[in-house]
Amino acid sequence: ETGVTQTPRHLVMGMTNKKSLKCEQHLGHNAMYWYKQSAKKPLELMFVYSLEERVENNSVPSRFSPECPNSSHLFLHLHTLQPEDSALYLCASSQDLDRVGYEQYFGPGTRLTVT
Amino acid sequence: KNEVEQSPQNLTAQEGEFITINCSYSVGISALHWLQQHPGGGIVSLFMLSSGKKKHGRLIATINIQEKHSSLHITASHPRDSAVYICAVLTYSARQLTFGSGTQLTVLP
Repeated sequence: ETGVTQTPRHLVMGMTNKKSLKCEQHLGHNAMYWYKQSAKKPLELMFVYSLEERVENNSVPSRFSPECPNSSHLFLHLHTLQPEDSALYLCASSQDLDRVGYEQYFGPGTRLTVT
Repeated sequence: KNEVEQSPQNLTAQEGEFITINCSYSVGISALHWLQQHPGGGIVSLFMLSSGKKKHGRLIATINIQEKHSSLHITASHPRDSAVYICAVLTYSARQLTFGSGTQLTVLP
């Protein structure tokens, strides 16, 4: 049990739908991350939040909109997605920003399929 | 070219074999992580190291900073070790990890 939970675990949505992914960490960490893992590709960092402030946005399309209402919760709002956005979306947290090598704890991921 | 290269991409071993997975990187780093991803997606951090060697049970991770290379060894491998093993590095300037493509390990009984 990692202490980081994600819901839903699986999501199928049409290109015109709006949905949200939720991540919650019970570890008292200050930093939270969204990653995308597409088939046969390395993990890609999407967003980083530190103390509820967004500190990294890796050129992610605006159809992905993150929200961090407090240090324990992180959302990824999805709208008008494309089929190529189908992937595993992973949330992670760490004690602080990974500048000095803090260990990251990952959630189980949300398997997203865009039809 | 990815800054982090892993080899092999796929590895099949018989139960009990000694396994080595390699990771090479091309930039200066402050830390290197080894992660394990089981079918279904969940990722577990195995090691974080910046020098030398670390051991946890049957797993050993080593790093050579001068050669920009790290290895993950599994002794007495078991089918439950079957997973994707991912190397990730934290560069001096970045506040984020750069990931390798992973090594798919299958241990046959």
